[in-house]
Amino acid sequence: DTAVSQTPKYLVTQMGNDKSIKCEQNLGHDTMYWYKQDSKKFLKIMFSYNNKELIINETVPNRFSPKSPDKAHLNLHINSLELGDSAVYFCASSQELSNSPLHFGNGTRLTVT
Amino acid sequence: AQSVTQLGSHVSVSEGALVLLRCNYSSSVPPYLFWYVQYPNQGLQLLLKYTSAATLVKGINGFEAEFKKSETSFHLTKPSAHMSDAAEYFCAVSQTGANNLFFGTGTRLTVIP
Repeated sequence: DTAVSQTPKYLVTQMGNDKSIKCEQNLGHDTMYWYKQDSKKFLKIMFSYNNKELIINETVPNRFSPKSPDKAHLNLHINSLELGDSAVYFCASSQELSNSPLHFGNGTRLTVT
Repeated sequence: AQSVTQLGSHVSVSEGALVLLRCNYSSSVPPYLFWYVQYPNQGLQLLLKYTSAATLVKGINGFEAEFKKSETSFHLTKPSAHMSDAAEYFCAVSQTGANNLFFGTGTRLTVIP
C-alpha cells in the first residue's frame, strides 16, 4: 500500500501545452505539498495546502496551480509549459504538527521539449 | 530566518568505513532538524529527526545524528558504510513545522567496494 502516490511517473510534453500531475495520500494527513527538484537536486517548496489555507511560494509562476478535490488529494496543474519547467515534481504530506516529518511520493519527471 | 548548509556535495567512502555527512543550520529559535535519504528515482524518506528530546538521535539503517547547539550542527554518521547506503542525503530545518521546512542542497554518498 503506497502511502503517497503520484501519477504519472514520467511526463514528456511540448512547450505551450497544459498538463496535470495527480497526487493521493492514504495516511490521513492534514497537509499536502508540492516540491520541485531541479537538475542539481535542489528542492524547493511550491505549495502547502490543508483544509484551512493554501500557502504559495511567491516565486512560483501563476501558471502553476494546485487543486484539492478532497483532503486526500492535491493535484498540480501547469499551464503553458516552458522548457524551464523540466524537473522532478514531488508530492508530500504530513500531519499538522510542528515536528511531523514529510512523507514523499516517488516523483514525476517532467520533460518539456 | 532559517537555513541549512551541507558541506560537501559529494562524499566517497569505502565499504565498512565511517560515514560522516555534515550539516550546519541557522535558526533564530530552537529548530526541528531532519535528515532525509533519496535513493535513485525515488522520493525522500525520513532517516531521523531531532525534536529536543535528546541530542543524540538514532535513525533507520544504523544512522545517527548529534545535535550540537554550540556548533549549530547536526551531522549524520554511520559507523560502517554499506553498499546500499549509496544515495543522496538531505538535511532540513524547520522552526514552525513541515510547511516551513528548508532543505540543504544535498550530499551524494558513494560507497566504494
